[in-house]
Amino acid sequence: DVKVTQSSRYLVKRTGEKVFLECVQDMDHENMFWYRQDPGLGLRLIYFSYDVKMKEKGDIPEGYSVSREKKERFSLILESASTNQTSMYLCASRQGSKNEQYFGPGTRLTVT
Amino acid sequence: QKEVEQDPGPLSVPEGAIVSLNCTYSNSAFQYFMWYRQYSRKGPELLMYTYSSGNKEDGRFTAQVDKSSKYISLFIRDSQPSDSATYLCAFYGSGNTGKLIFGQGTTLQVKP
Repeated sequence: DVKVTQSSRYLVKRTGEKVFLECVQDMDHENMFWYRQDPGLGLRLIYFSYDVKMKEKGDIPEGYSVSREKKERFSLILESASTNQTSMYLCASRQGSKNEQYFGPGTRLTVT
Repeated sequence: QKEVEQDPGPLSVPEGAIVSLNCTYSNSAFQYFMWYRQYSRKGPELLMYTYSSGNKEDGRFTAQVDKSSKYISLFIRDSQPSDSATYLCAFYGSGNTGKLIFGQGTTLQVKP
């Protein structure tokens, strides 16, 4: 079974803090994704990565950056957290030749 | 016009009912059609996946695709309380880089 894990289930941070969200997958998948999920807006793609050290902007990259130094790990960074970044953050991975994405359990981030 | 439209619900049905969940889309390039199920406070999990018009069955679940009308449906027969979740339709286009386009999700409650 594919397993995607995220470093925290719940996180509370203050405005202006730098926030790191970590995602690890154990299936040697090439592609990894970060989404945020908000009521009424569904899942929106923030960034994705085809392979190690590669990254592409998704639909809402503003205020975020990412890092992929190892194949199994994809980090999402909020350089200076703001209240409008309060959301559920979901990481996903995908084998390059397949269509299915496998999701982690999510991190619910609250910025106060 | 949004690329994908999905009725957010909520939808409440008695146990044993047949449930119909629907999405419309506008992008003719979409070729792969998926349904994800997301339980409360969990990440989405792939439920069904198809790439052609017609029906695909898996136990109590049937995925239906009508490419000419740009319409997909998920039917749940003999619905159970354990089916209570949010259901998200998702789409890939041809030559896609791995980006999924999601519907907003429909929240379903099956009452015992």
